[in-house]
Amino acid sequence: SQTIHQWPATLVQPVGSPLSLECTVEGTSNPNLYWYRQAAGRGLQLLFYSVGIGQISSEVPQNLSASRPQDRQFILSSKKLLLSDSGFYLCAWSVDEASGNPKETQYFGPGTRLLVL
Amino acid sequence: ELKVEQNPLFLSMQEGKNYTIYCNYSTTSDRLYWYRQDPGKSLESLFVLLSNGAVKQEGRLMASLDTKARLSTLHITAAVHDLSATYFCAVVPTGTASKLTFGTGTRLQVTL
Repeated sequence: SQTIHQWPATLVQPVGSPLSLECTVEGTSNPNLYWYRQAAGRGLQLLFYSVGIGQISSEVPQNLSASRPQDRQFILSSKKLLLSDSGFYLCAWSVDEASGNPKETQYFGPGTRLLVL
Repeated sequence: ELKVEQNPLFLSMQEGKNYTIYCNYSTTSDRLYWYRQDPGKSLESLFVLLSNGAVKQEGRLMASLDTKARLSTLHITAAVHDLSATYFCAVVPTGTASKLTFGTGTRLQVTL
């Protein structure tokens, strides 16, 4: 079965510091990968998605970047955090459209709670 | 720009009662998803609705999709306290791969 991991689970960082959040998926190949952010008490906003190694699409202009160095690894980064970067970051995966049913749901990881002070 | 609106945003209901959460979206879509989120937790997939008229049921929850009206409903039957959570619908606009746009969420509180 497939599993998705995120770490760290919780992070408190000062404004201006760098950020690296990691997401890995097990049990599937060539998944589509996604980063979402959920601000406190709000819905989810898609930040980045990737259909393959090195292929990243950004959905909103922001202080963050994403990379996919390996098939099942997705990293969210920032060089200098802002207060507004605080939130709950969720990684998700879905079946690659070429190899499976593209209409399956997205499966979410446990999330990383980031507080920027 | 795609808009996905849910109502109500907050719902307090007594155990044993029935209620419906509505999800309206502003563009054509052939896929709609419902998720559940417990406080401080990640999202759990509830239903995937793939065609007009689709209806799915799991326990006390039933979801339906009307693509012509651009409307999905999540019906709760005889609510129990364990259903207390926030419920999100999410839409994939036609022709946009698998990028989900989420609704605002409905926070459901079931009281004894």
